[in-house]
Amino acid sequence: QKEVEQNSGPLSVPEGAIASLNCTYSDRGSQSFFWYRQYSGKSPELIMSIYSNGDKEDGRFTAQLNKASQYVSLLIRDSQPSDSATYLCAVLQISPGAGSYQLTFGKGTKLSVIP
Amino acid sequence: NAGVTQTPKFRILKIGQSMTLQCAQDMNHNYMYWYRQDPGMGLKLIYYSVGAGITDKGEVPNGYNVSRSTTEDFPLRLELAAPSQTSVYFCASSWGLADYNEQFFGPGTRLTVL
Repeated sequence: QKEVEQNSGPLSVPEGAIASLNCTYSDRGSQSFFWYRQYSGKSPELIMSIYSNGDKEDGRFTAQLNKASQYVSLLIRDSQPSDSATYLCAVLQISPGAGSYQLTFGKGTKLSVIP
Repeated sequence: NAGVTQTPKFRILKIGQSMTLQCAQDMNHNYMYWYRQDPGMGLKLIYYSVGAGITDKGEVPNGYNVSRSTTEDFPLRLELAAPSQTSVYFCASSWGLADYNEQFFGPGTRLTVL
């Protein structure tokens, strides 16, 4: 059973602070990693994708991947109330030869940014 | 571009009824997916398709069927609806399967089975 674990929260941070969201995964063969944002009652929206070890920055968002520790994180700098949402970590395992594709989502971390 | 569209937005079914959830995308994506999301849970993959005429099971396929006759459309069929199928259903599409697997989601269909 491939698992993706996230702290369900809620994680509360003051406006302007850095929010740190964490995700661990069980399958060492995982290849691609994604962070989706989901507002209440809405569909998931891709925030970041990361494929190799290290940091990837996009505006106020930074994704960090450490495959040795099986750990991926999302940092949100200068948090805004509009960042309040549930953040879903997703991990992809694929074996083209076997026709196997599996994108496993965590349950999500609810972030609340306090004005 | 409309992106990924889904119909209906809401539906109430009685146990044993059947229905088809419609999904269409206008981004010329080869890859399409159906997920269900139960309250407080992550998304679970039901079925996916790598192109017209090719579909495969995901993590939770039981009770569902799919078809992909065109690149644009990927309907999900529920036969003999059960209360356990009460959920929010999301359709998604992407450019790639391994690389470029960033997925674009439709607005969802909220289904209740009573």
